Amino acid sequence: GNSVTQMEGPVTLSEEAFLTINCTYTATGYPSLFWYVQYPGEGLQLLLKATKADDKGSNKGFEATYRKETTSFHLEKGSVQVSDSAVYFCAAGGTSYGKLTFGQGTILTVHP
Amino acid sequence: DTAVSQTPKYLVTQMGNDKSIKCEQNLGHDTMYWYKQDSKKFLKIMFSYNNKELIINETVPNRFSPKSPDKAHLNLHINSLELGDSAVYFCASGGQKNTEAFFGQGTRLTVV
Repeated sequence: GNSVTQMEGPVTLSEEAFLTINCTYTATGYPSLFWYVQYPGEGLQLLLKATKADDKGSNKGFEATYRKETTSFHLEKGSVQVSDSAVYFCAAGGTSYGKLTFGQGTILTVHP
Repeated sequence: DTAVSQTPKYLVTQMGNDKSIKCEQNLGHDTMYWYKQDSKKFLKIMFSYNNKELIINETVPNRFSPKSPDKAHLNLHINSLELGDSAVYFCASGGQKNTEAFFGQGTRLTVV
């Protein structure tokens, strides 16, 4: 089955800093890739996605590019805000009735 | 107009009790899931149902019994609750294979 590995957290940044959260996957075939965000006390929300190699997903200033050659889908944002403080999950789509495989989550805290 | 709704949001109960969590989706999806999130934010799939049929059962104790009366509902019943069952439980729904899932707000279960 698929597996997803995210960089260890937690990550602490100052406002306006550059953010990278690394994500790599192993899979048979070419799964769709997703980033989800979980704000405190809330459920997971889809942040962005990419369905094939070299696709770039983007939303709210966040970006991630599907890199088949490095099996990666790193999340980036040029200038983080305090309101970006949340847990970020990388996930890979599955062939088994849509089952998603999640990474372990990365806690991001942004200080003013 | 909530897409995936689960109740209750919070559930505090004593060891040994039996409790249920309800989930409903209005997205017209065929597949629904239950995930468990532990205190370290790790997400683990528990069950997946496709058109009311159990598809995935990820070595969950048989004290946990999902019930799907129709494809828009997937409830989770837990018997003989234990301290280790304390977690946040998320319901989700998804469409076709390799597509994103949509999550409910979560139910924080605390067993005392």
